[in-house]
Amino acid sequence: DTGVSQDPRHKITKRGQNVTFRCDPISEHNRLYWYRQTLGQGPEFLTYFQNEAQLEKSRLLSDRFSAERPKGSFSTLEIQRTEQGDSAMYLCASSHRDREDSGANVLTFGAGSRLTVL
Amino acid sequence: GENVEQHPSTLSVQEGDSAVIKCTYSDSASNYFPWYKQELGKRPQLIIDIRSNVGEKKDQRIAVTLNKTAKHFSLHITETQPEDSAVYFCAASRSNFNKFYFGSGTKLNVKP
Repeated sequence: DTGVSQDPRHKITKRGQNVTFRCDPISEHNRLYWYRQTLGQGPEFLTYFQNEAQLEKSRLLSDRFSAERPKGSFSTLEIQRTEQGDSAMYLCASSHRDREDSGANVLTFGAGSRLTVL
Repeated sequence: GENVEQHPSTLSVQEGDSAVIKCTYSDSASNYFPWYKQELGKRPQLIIDIRSNVGEKKDQRIAVTLNKTAKHFSLHITETQPEDSAVYFCAASRSNFNKFYFGSGTKLNVKP
């Protein structure tokens, strides 16, 4: 499978525990995004990496959230001291600027990591 | 920041009819507008996109129109089929593509 891989697919945890999600983007993609999606809503931007540099971070991302992309390849999203409001689908997407069409940028999403905080 | 609003939230049409979904955005610097389709339990996938230097783009039964002055863009699906049933999301981004802002989604139901 040469798409975007996310692990784990499902995570159930108790309030107050830490969780970490991993995303493996398409290998030639230098752009990587994390989004959060709750039921009935559109994806909500969390953070963006270009190679290993974290260039954007949403104000929605409290100090309990941190993301890394240490070598510009895979990325991790960690949530510390989870709260019930953190329950959501966490989507990773990767892209590269279209070589033939520099005005487009197609996001390829992973299947997501569903978090349930009890 | 950008605010993308999408409506309707649900849309039910008869097979063969047309469907139109509308979005508005607030950031005049946004200039790239993709549409994503998300089937139940699956990941969002791009179906069509448009840049601000064009007013309309078509791909078979799907078309997107953009009115940059009014800051709104629309998705048009003609001759709808049951397999078009899904949730559709519009999005907006500036040319650096650092952030994509998504609408809240439209659940399209095509009745056979």
